[in-house]
Amino acid sequence: RKEVEQDPGPFNVPEGATVAFNCTYSNSASQSFFWYRQDCRKEPKLLMSVYSSGNEDGRFTAQLNRASQYISLLIRDSKLSDSATYLCVVNSNQGGKLIFGQGTELSVKP
Amino acid sequence: DTEVTQTPKHLVMGMTNKKSLKCEQHMGHRAMYWYKQKAKKPPELMFVYSYEKLSINESVPSRFSPECPNSSLLNLHLHALQPEDSALYLCASSPFSGSTDTQYFGPGTRLTVL
Repeated sequence: RKEVEQDPGPFNVPEGATVAFNCTYSNSASQSFFWYRQDCRKEPKLLMSVYSSGNEDGRFTAQLNRASQYISLLIRDSKLSDSATYLCVVNSNQGGKLIFGQGTELSVKP
Repeated sequence: DTEVTQTPKHLVMGMTNKKSLKCEQHMGHRAMYWYKQKAKKPPELMFVYSYEKLSINESVPSRFSPECPNSSLLNLHLHALQPEDSALYLCASSPFSGSTDTQYFGPGTRLTVL
């Protein structure tokens, strides 16, 4: 079993759609969780940290369920500029080592 | 300001060349990282420096040699690379190397080995 598993992509959605990404992690001792966004041929950029209480930033909502070891990202009212690969990332508690999911590619079409 | 800079942006080298990648941050972060990323794959950790000391080496071949001259700079020295080492090399930094610290990535160096 992979340490961090994400929905396979690609997701092709029309503008204005709501899209949800899911992720599971295997290490129950993990303490911090993130969603990063990576555009083609660019570096990963932090989109959101994920907290147990859930957190929202504009059109983006992240949720963490520690009991199920499950992380989600909801994007509402998708824009063309949301097209990117979304990486689910978990801190391994090993000296800063991050564990990355394989990434989910999102393509928002007009 | 969460900026990490990397030079050069692109590098083409032969298998007998020696070159270096450079990374710099001025956020006062005490942990710095090197990652390698192949196309359509997530980044893979190579090295972690914490307080200018190498703390993690993910069994990286010795043809890659990291160096941390001071708390703001991180280098990756390359020698006798193979074509399969062609990839995007990303540098990142975080306040500390703790279990809750957020890492910020530089734009990367796209390396091609001929």
